[in-house]
Amino acid sequence: ELKVEQNPLFLSMQEGKNYTIYCNYSTTSDRLYWYRQDPGKSLESLFVLLSNGAVKQEGRLMASLDTKARLSTLHITAAVHDLSATYFCAVDRFRRAQKLVFGQGTRLTINP
Amino acid sequence: SQTIHQWPATLVQPVGSPLSLECTVEGTSNPNLYWYRQAAGRGLQLLFYSVGIGQISSEVPQNLSASRPQDRQFILSSKKLLLSDSGFYLCAWRWEIGELQYFGPGTRLTVL
Repeated sequence: ELKVEQNPLFLSMQEGKNYTIYCNYSTTSDRLYWYRQDPGKSLESLFVLLSNGAVKQEGRLMASLDTKARLSTLHITAAVHDLSATYFCAVDRFRRAQKLVFGQGTRLTINP
Repeated sequence: SQTIHQWPATLVQPVGSPLSLECTVEGTSNPNLYWYRQAAGRGLQLLFYSVGIGQISSEVPQNLSASRPQDRQFILSSKKLLLSDSGFYLCAWRWEIGELQYFGPGTRLTVL
């Protein structure tokens, strides 16, 4: 059974600081997704990582994938308040049907 | 462009009552469709997915069912709701061979 674990689950940080969210998964997969969720809202797609060594960046967020270590990271650079949200990683369990297994989510709070 | 709708947006139902949640997608044909549930403060759990009209795959045993009467319509139902059915229900779609799943606005269900 595929399991996806994120850490930390809660993160409070100051504006301007850097931090990393980790996503570990238990079985082989080469497709990993990062989503953002604002309170009470739906999910917004951030990144799709499709191969070992993939790195994608958008603004202050950068995601990477190491399929050998079964690890993805979401790095936040010089955090700003607008990045406060819950971030989820998800792994594709069955490629053809794309059955995603989600991590528990990391609730990120960025304080001025 | 493609749009996904869900209704109702919020719903409060007594235990034992029936349920019908609707999801429709505009601007695409033959999408793959998904139902997820998010319990409070948790990640998403895949409930059902469909690759075509009348084709439903159930991912977890439960008292919910899904149907796809039309190409771009996906319905989640229950004959008798349980307290544990409370949560945030999200519908998602993707192109048949696409990489991304796009999520609808969600339905927040409270069972009392």
